[in-house]
Amino acid sequence: EDKVVQSPLSLVVHEGDTVTLNCSYEVTNFRSLLWYKQEKKAPTFLFMLTSSGIEKKSGRLSSILDKKELFSILNITATQTGDSAIYLCAVGDNAGGTSYGKLTFGQGTILTVHP
Amino acid sequence: DGGITQSPKYLFRKEGQNVTLSCEQNLNHDAMYWYRQDPGQGLRLIYYSQIVNDFQKGDIAEGYSVSREKKESFPLTVTSAQKNPTAFYLCASGDRRGYTFGSGTRLTVV
Repeated sequence: EDKVVQSPLSLVVHEGDTVTLNCSYEVTNFRSLLWYKQEKKAPTFLFMLTSSGIEKKSGRLSSILDKKELFSILNITATQTGDSAIYLCAVGDNAGGTSYGKLTFGQGTILTVHP
Repeated sequence: DGGITQSPKYLFRKEGQNVTLSCEQNLNHDAMYWYRQDPGQGLRLIYYSQIVNDFQKGDIAEGYSVSREKKESFPLTVTSAQKNPTAFYLCASGDRRGYTFGSGTRLTVV
């Protein structure tokens, strides 16, 4: 059974702090690892990672994947109150051909940033 | 614009009733997914479909049923066998470029 585990489950910081969110996975046929931010309704896409060791950056957010250790981290620097959200990690498996297979999510990390 | 539409946004159901949640996409995606989210938690996979007329159970399929008669549509029925159906339901679709989520349906059993 595919498994995605995120840690910590919740985190409270102050504006300006740097946070690191963790995601480990066990997937039979790994295809990609994705990070999402969820504030109220639908998750919004942050990153898709398929190759080890290549950092992806978007403003104050960055993420990297380690396919040997089956691990990814999401870093947020200089946090702001608007970063408060649930951060979700998901892993897509390879169903073969052109189609994506199962997309399994972790439990999420609830980040709260205080002014 | 291409996208994925879930309806209704809010749904109330009496205990013992079946209810169907709609999910439609015009992104030409092959794969579609249904997730359940409980407060403060991640998404748990109910069912997914990689192609028309085929679907697979996810981790929490009991008490739910789906169909995939058209590529664009993947409706989810919450049956009376689902003991705790009050939750937020998210539909998604995907292809090799990524995944897109609908805005969700919040189901409350009264």
